Amino acid sequence: AQSVTQLGSHVSVSEGALVLLRCNYSSSVPPYLFWYVQYPNQGLQLLLKYTTGATLVKGINGFEAEFKKSETSFHLTKPSAHMSDAAEYFCAVSGSQGGKLIFGQGTELSVKP
Amino acid sequence: DGGITQSPKYLFRKEGQNVTLSCEQNLNHDAMYWYRQDPGQGLRLIYYSQIVNDFQKGDIAEGYSVSREKKESFPLTVTSAQKNPTAFYLCASSIVPGGYNEQFFGPGTRLTVL
Repeated sequence: AQSVTQLGSHVSVSEGALVLLRCNYSSSVPPYLFWYVQYPNQGLQLLLKYTTGATLVKGINGFEAEFKKSETSFHLTKPSAHMSDAAEYFCAVSGSQGGKLIFGQGTELSVKP
Repeated sequence: DGGITQSPKYLFRKEGQNVTLSCEQNLNHDAMYWYRQDPGQGLRLIYYSQIVNDFQKGDIAEGYSVSREKKESFPLTVTSAQKNPTAFYLCASSIVPGGYNEQFFGPGTRLTVL
């Protein structure tokens, strides 16, 4: 079975500060990992994904994530937070059949001026 | 523009009624998915379909039904057997079923039981 744990349901940072959202996964097979962002009352938008190859993955809006197999982690970072980054962020790992995605519980990011 | 449309955006249901949520995609994707989102619980898979005329139950299928008669369409019916249907429902699609393919999401339907 696969699972995802996102540490911290709420994270608050100041504008211009580093953003770090934590994600740990469990998988018995090589994982495919995803980060999605959701703005209020909207669908999810893909930020970035890791499939194979380079372990540092760059995404949209200045976000990046690093796949660390030894730590079973896929943390999301952004060097400098912007007010528009305030949203909910979901980490997900692909399932073993049918492309099923297993989602973490989400982390709500607040950005203070 | 290619994408996924869901309708209606807001839906109100009386207890004991069945309601159907629409999901249409013009991305020519083979696979389609329905998720339920509740606060603090992430997204949970209700049903998914890898090909026309075929679908499988997800983790929380009880009280829901689907059909996949056309590649573009994957409607979800919330039946009266679903005891707590108030939630945000998200439809998604991917080009083919496969763990490495990202899913594209629609804007969602918020269902409220009165």
